[in-house]
Amino acid sequence: KAGVTQTPRYLIKTRGQQVTLSCSPISGHRSVSWYQQTPGQGLQFLFEYFSETQRNKGNFPGRFSGRQFSNSRSEMNVSTLELGDSALYLCASCPGQGHMNTEAFFGQGTRLTVV
Amino acid sequence: GQNIDQPTEMTATEGAIVQINCTYQTSGFNGLFWYQQHAGEAPTFLSYNVLDGLEEKGRFSSFLSRSKGYSYLLLKELQMKDSASYLCAVRDKGHNTNAGKSTFGDGTTLTVKP
Repeated sequence: KAGVTQTPRYLIKTRGQQVTLSCSPISGHRSVSWYQQTPGQGLQFLFEYFSETQRNKGNFPGRFSGRQFSNSRSEMNVSTLELGDSALYLCASCPGQGHMNTEAFFGQGTRLTVV
Repeated sequence: GQNIDQPTEMTATEGAIVQINCTYQTSGFNGLFWYQQHAGEAPTFLSYNVLDGLEEKGRFSSFLSRSKGYSYLLLKELQMKDSASYLCAVRDKGHNTNAGKSTFGDGTTLTVKP
């Protein structure tokens, strides 16, 4: 069974640009969560999707958005990039709804660098 | 919301036992997780506790006390490969019964020395 796949693995963008990151969960998993990981802030929750609906959202500005497709694949978008957006963006895949999951499976992440 | 505290760094010797503590303050509790993350890699699941008590899984055990807002991860027979960051995460009940947002601590970097 293939694991969680995130693309691209590495990305360099310029301030003011926008970026779209992709996550394909484990086959059969319907819940996808996104996290931002930085050395100073640790792992911060961005949002969670289940059945194409955003179920929960973290404390990030509106520049951060996401969506989930009918095949459970998810994308997140960051518009008007800032230097502080440089981070590792992790996607986690779970079988069911948020409150019922007993573990999450993380992808390798996308390392975004904003210059 | 959630507030999670765990030590920043710990050092232990190969073959020894180490206990990594995690304390949390929560407005709603729906499970506590421990993850291991090696440098440059994705976090991998170690354990899940939702009821009080000890969960044992091989060399790793995790304990939870909901009344004290406290958990620990116990690593026995330490190996060099156990050098990693250990993340404590607490899930709340979310704003509806179909969601559960997880909040992560900043992680404890464990260094295992020969």
